[in-house]
Order: sequence, then structure tokens, then C-alpha cells
Amino acid sequence: EVQLVESGGGLVKPGGSLRLSCAASGFTFTNAWMSWVRQAPGKGLEWVGRIKGKTDGGTTDYAAPVKGRFTISRDDSKNTLYLQMNSLKTDDTAVYYCTTAATMTGGAFDIWGHGTMVTVSS
Amino acid sequence: QSVLTQPPSASGTPGQRVTISCSGSSSNIGSNTVNWYQQLPGTAPKLLIYSNNQRPSGVPDRFSGSKSGTSASLAISGLQSEDEADYYCGAWDDSLNGVVFGGGTKLTVL
Repeated sequence: EVQLVESGGGLVKPGGSLRLSCAASGFTFTNAWMSWVRQAPGKGLEWVGRIKGKTDGGTTDYAAPVKGRFTISRDDSKNTLYLQMNSLKTDDTAVYYCTTAATMTGGAFDIWGHGTMVTVSS
Repeated sequence: QSVLTQPPSASGTPGQRVTISCSGSSSNIGSNTVNWYQQLPGTAPKLLIYSNNQRPSGVPDRFSGSKSGTSASLAISGLQSEDEADYYCGAWDDSLNGVVFGGGTKLTVL
């Protein structure tokens, strides 16, 4: 079964750091382009960033609001995706989903995790 | 303010056909394919339509998508109570070098 399971969410103070993890199973993780998408309470979806698969160089792209503060990485030996979040702001409060295009969907996100909640508050 | 523009709400009665619009620009919808996601309350988004008008396996043919220029639409025919959800359009944006989403449309089945 194709599955993504996020973990690592929690309560953190403004200016603090947090690392999210996303464990993947059921598909070839090494070549998968993985993304993080977040959703603030009562708001819409916001793409955070992505990391390409190994064969495509493993490079990263980020949305403007998180660039320079967030870092996406992967450990292909553990089939795990990470999101390192530094200098957190209250606006970063959201459910964070990891997602990917596991099948031939032209890059559309067809697999989503259940999400992990991050709350930035003093 | 979302890059892609959707109406905040839509509604219909069971059996009706409803459409949800998504407006963008030349850097996103105008030059890339559009995807649609359905999000039921309290759950993760689910891919509904990809590449403008393709349905993933398991998605009923009541759902259809189209694109023209810098706009796209999602149509739901034979509306059912279980279609009550939030719907989001998404596309790659060449200028922003990232995925952009619409603000979402809350569909109510009356």
C-alpha cells in the first residue's frame, strides 16, 4: 500500500525550530519528487517546497514565505523526507502535509499523508 | 491572496450540475496543466482531476475538468450529498517557480 506518514509536529515558540519527518512506503522513494504543502487553520492549501528525486539531482525549490528559513531534505536509505523549520513565525502555524506524484499523473499530487500540526505561539 | 482565483462558495441540490471556476495567468494556467483536489472535512486533500481533464482511477465520471486559456473549470454532475467538500485548483507557476493553489471553493449540497 502506498503511504506517507508525517510526524514531528507540535507547539513551538516564535523564533524556534522544529523538524518534521515523512515516512514513505509502497513506491520507489529514491526517484520520487516530494513536496510539503501546508494549510493554516480555516485557510486554503499553500505549497511550501519540494525536493527532486536522486536521478534528477535532488535539488530543492521553496515558496517565497519560507525561503531561507525552511530546508527540505531526504534520506533515501530510510525512505524518509524531512522539513527543517527555523526562525518560526506565528504565520507558520498550520497542518503540514507531505505529498508526491506516485503514479503517472503529470506531476499532480496523488498521494498525501494525514498531516502533522505545527503551532507557533508564545 | 491566492495566485489562482476561485469563488469562495458554490451550491446545488442533489442531482444538479455545478461548476467551479479557477482563474490564473499566463505563467501558471496559461502555460501549465491544472489539477483539482477535493478535501472532505477533517481529511487530507485527494486528487480529483489531473492534467486539466484526466480522472485518477476510482474517481467517478461525474467529475470532469476543462481548461481554456488562463482559466479552468471543474464540473460535477449528478450532485450527491457526499460531494460536499472544499475544492482546490492547482498548477505550476513558471514565474514563481512553484506550485500555486486557488483559495478553495466550499461546495454545499442543499
